[in-house]
Amino acid sequence: AQSVTQPDIHITVSEGASLELRCNYSYGATPYLFWYVQSPGQGLQLLLKYFSGDTLVQGIKGFEAEFKRSQSSFNLRKPSVHWSDAAEYFCAVGARSGNTGKLIFGQGTTLQVKP
Amino acid sequence: DTAVSQTPKYLVTQMGNDKSIKCEQNLGHDTMYWYKQDSKKFLKIMFSYNNKELIINETVPNRFSPKSPDKAHLNLHINSLELGDSAVYFCASSVGLASTYEQYFGPGTRLTVT
Repeated sequence: AQSVTQPDIHITVSEGASLELRCNYSYGATPYLFWYVQSPGQGLQLLLKYFSGDTLVQGIKGFEAEFKRSQSSFNLRKPSVHWSDAAEYFCAVGARSGNTGKLIFGQGTTLQVKP
Repeated sequence: DTAVSQTPKYLVTQMGNDKSIKCEQNLGHDTMYWYKQDSKKFLKIMFSYNNKELIINETVPNRFSPKSPDKAHLNLHINSLELGDSAVYFCASSVGLASTYEQYFGPGTRLTVT
């Protein structure tokens, strides 16, 4: 069955520290991969996406993610976290075929930033 | 100017009632979605519509009936509300159905059934 796993439910980092949020997926083939961020009381916003090509992708707000096929992972990173990065982060996968627009989301990682 | 808007933002109602949530997008997109986010923040697609045509119905109970009067609107009507329907419901839209298209989310409607 298709699934997305975010092993860390909650992460706390100090402001200025580096960040890595993990994402693993189970899929029949390499899917399209996404990271979304949800700020408190708001909808989701796309941070970045991977379709093909360079396995290191850059996104908005200084985030990047690396696709590793051998590990079925798509981890999100940021070199220096800002207090405004505190939010919920969701990894998601989408099918390459059968246009339905369906995304499968992980359970999310809550990021807390300490001053 | 809000891209994807939902009304109401909060909805508190009793079991057995019928309620509707409205969604509008001003992005000119062809595709719209409804997602349900449960208390553990797990987000799951419920429906997708493309040009007012239902594409996905993810084994959602018949009590949930989406309606798309035009491409810019996708409303969600829920009959005979149950406690388990309490959740945050998100509307989203995209240019088209392909997964390559970014989905733009509304701010959510928090439904509480008592």
